[in-house]
Amino acid sequence: GQNIDQPTEMTATEGAIVQINCTYQTSGFNGLFWYQQHAGEAPTFLSYNVLDGLEEKGRFSSFLSRSKGYSYLLLKELQMKDSASYLCAPRGGGNKLTFGTGTQLKVEL
Amino acid sequence: DAGVIQSPRHEVTEMGQEVTLRCKPISGHDYLFWYRQTMMRGLELLIYFNNNVPIDDSGMPEDRFSAKMPNASFSTLKIQPSEPRDSAVYFCASSLRDLGADTQYFGPGTRLTVL
Repeated sequence: GQNIDQPTEMTATEGAIVQINCTYQTSGFNGLFWYQQHAGEAPTFLSYNVLDGLEEKGRFSSFLSRSKGYSYLLLKELQMKDSASYLCAPRGGGNKLTFGTGTQLKVEL
Repeated sequence: DAGVIQSPRHEVTEMGQEVTLRCKPISGHDYLFWYRQTMMRGLELLIYFNNNVPIDDSGMPEDRFSAKMPNASFSTLKIQPSEPRDSAVYFCASSLRDLGADTQYFGPGTRLTVL
């Protein structure tokens, strides 16, 4: 089976940096995705890691350690529009993603 | 590209009624996924198709749920009979199998309320 653990809520200040952690246990591993979901909207793709290390994409970066079953999403220069839920989703066998319950990020002034 | 299209966007029905949700995946995508999202359980995979063939339906809650994909551009998720505990947002997603990420793209969702 799959088990995913990420914090339920986080609060950060506009302009700051925030790191959202995710630990996972999967039967089979074929990459890990991060999605962003604003309230009332669909999840949208943010990043994908399949090898260990850091992937950087603008203000967002994602890190993966396969041996530790650990990933994090790093958001820099936070903006109010970054207030959303962030979903960690490892991919197991086939093309199946398993989503965590998400981390609700609130960005404050 | 129009993205994944779902209809209806909102559905309110009474317990015992049949509900049919519809999805049009992104043209050329060969995988289609149906998810259900609730506050308590988060985003759960119900079933997915590859080239119109159901591959894994282990997430379908019970026999009241069924899904079909008659062709590459259309899929339905049916609940018969519906129950109040089926109230949730149902998302359809599609992806293209390649040697990279196979990123799933989500539709806007159908918000189902069963009274």
